[in-house]
Amino acid sequence: GAVVSQHPSRVICKSGTSVKIECRSLDFQATTMFWYRQFPKKSLMLMATSNEGSKATYEQGVEKDKFLINHASLTLSTLTVTSAHPEDSSFYICSAERDSGPNQPQHFGDGTRLSIL
Amino acid sequence: AQSVSQHNHHVILSEAASLELGCNYSYGGTVNLFWYVQYPGQHLQLLLKYFSGDPLVKGIKGFEAEFIKSKFSFNLRKPSVQWSDTAEYFCAVECCKLIWGLGTSLAVNP
Repeated sequence: GAVVSQHPSRVICKSGTSVKIECRSLDFQATTMFWYRQFPKKSLMLMATSNEGSKATYEQGVEKDKFLINHASLTLSTLTVTSAHPEDSSFYICSAERDSGPNQPQHFGDGTRLSIL
Repeated sequence: AQSVSQHNHHVILSEAASLELGCNYSYGGTVNLFWYVQYPGQHLQLLLKYFSGDPLVKGIKGFEAEFIKSKFSFNLRKPSVQWSDTAEYFCAVECCKLIWGLGTSLAVNP
């Protein structure tokens, strides 16, 4: 159990395009989902914490108007990179906590490799 | 600022060799500690975790890790590696949020 599906796995777009990435918990309800970004040779960097039914909490330095997060249901969170530019090219990973309360491990999607031309 | 340091970036071992991957963190308060593994072409998976209690934690596939609070360390160990252990290993520390190490790439030669 605890499967997280992320879609698409790979996307290549022109500069200026908005790109939406979906993160779904397939066999559990996730009140909290996380969005990470990973640069080459760098560790995972938390971008934002997404809670169902409320606004996402963004980490310092992450533009909330650039990276729109919507967590409309207990099984789906979306990340939209608005007006993407080449510097937004990166590997984006989502994760979800299966159970509520403290001390819960995260379950990860396969990631989305975004390339902006 | 909180940080996680994984000392070994690339490790190459022969099958049956013993493994120890280092992980140190900088944070003075209470932490939760994790090791995640990413096999080639797959997503990140939880290997083991420490929240409290016995500092020696047993995980899946014969892995274990020991939390040494005085050294701010949570090293991952396996007595005898297999070719199937070839993967990327990430240490993560949760204080206020999850903070990740850079990862260690392990290649096990058959």
